[in-house]
Amino acid sequence: DVKVTQSSRYLVKRTGEKVFLECVQDMDHENMFWYRQDPGLGLRLIYFSYDVKMKEKGDIPEGYSVSREKKERFSLILESASTNQTSMYLCASSFRGGGTGDTQYFGPGTRLTVL
Amino acid sequence: AQSVTQLGSHVSVSEGALVLLRCNYSSSVPPYLFWYVQYPNQGLQLLLKYTSAATLVKGINGFEAEFKKSETSFHLTKPSAHMSDAAEYFCAVSEATGGSQGNLIFGKGTKLSVKP
Repeated sequence: DVKVTQSSRYLVKRTGEKVFLECVQDMDHENMFWYRQDPGLGLRLIYFSYDVKMKEKGDIPEGYSVSREKKERFSLILESASTNQTSMYLCASSFRGGGTGDTQYFGPGTRLTVL
Repeated sequence: AQSVTQLGSHVSVSEGALVLLRCNYSSSVPPYLFWYVQYPNQGLQLLLKYTSAATLVKGINGFEAEFKKSETSFHLTKPSAHMSDAAEYFCAVSEATGGSQGNLIFGKGTKLSVKP
């Protein structure tokens, strides 16, 4: 079974703090994704990566950055957290990229609250 | 540009009743279509997917969906609801193109409640 793990299930941070969300997959997948989930808005893609050290912006990259130094790990960084970044963050991975029909496998999510 | 519309943000059924969750998509090329389920405080789990083989797709937990090109629909059904089906369901579309254009686009989700 594919396993995608996220470093924290719940996180509380203060405005202005730098926040790191970590994601690890154990299936040697090429592609990794970070989504944000808000009630009534569904999932929105923040960033994705097709390979180590490669990253591309998704639909809502503002206020976020990412890092992929190793194939299995994809980090989401909030440089200076703001209250409007309070949300559920979901990481996913897939063997190949979009447009191939490959399944994306999701982690359990990190519920981030910024006070 | 591709998009997904899920009709009804909340659907309530009685235990044992038919479950029907609606999904319509728009896509300029042949799509791949997915249904995911999210139980409370968990990530998303794949229920089923359509990748241009059979138009009727069977998934886990007794769910199935039918791809209807003429109606641009991919509705999810289950003949008899169980209490454990209470969750949020997401429809997603991916175009068979390369690069970021092929990424998944998700609908806004439908919360299914099951009454005893």
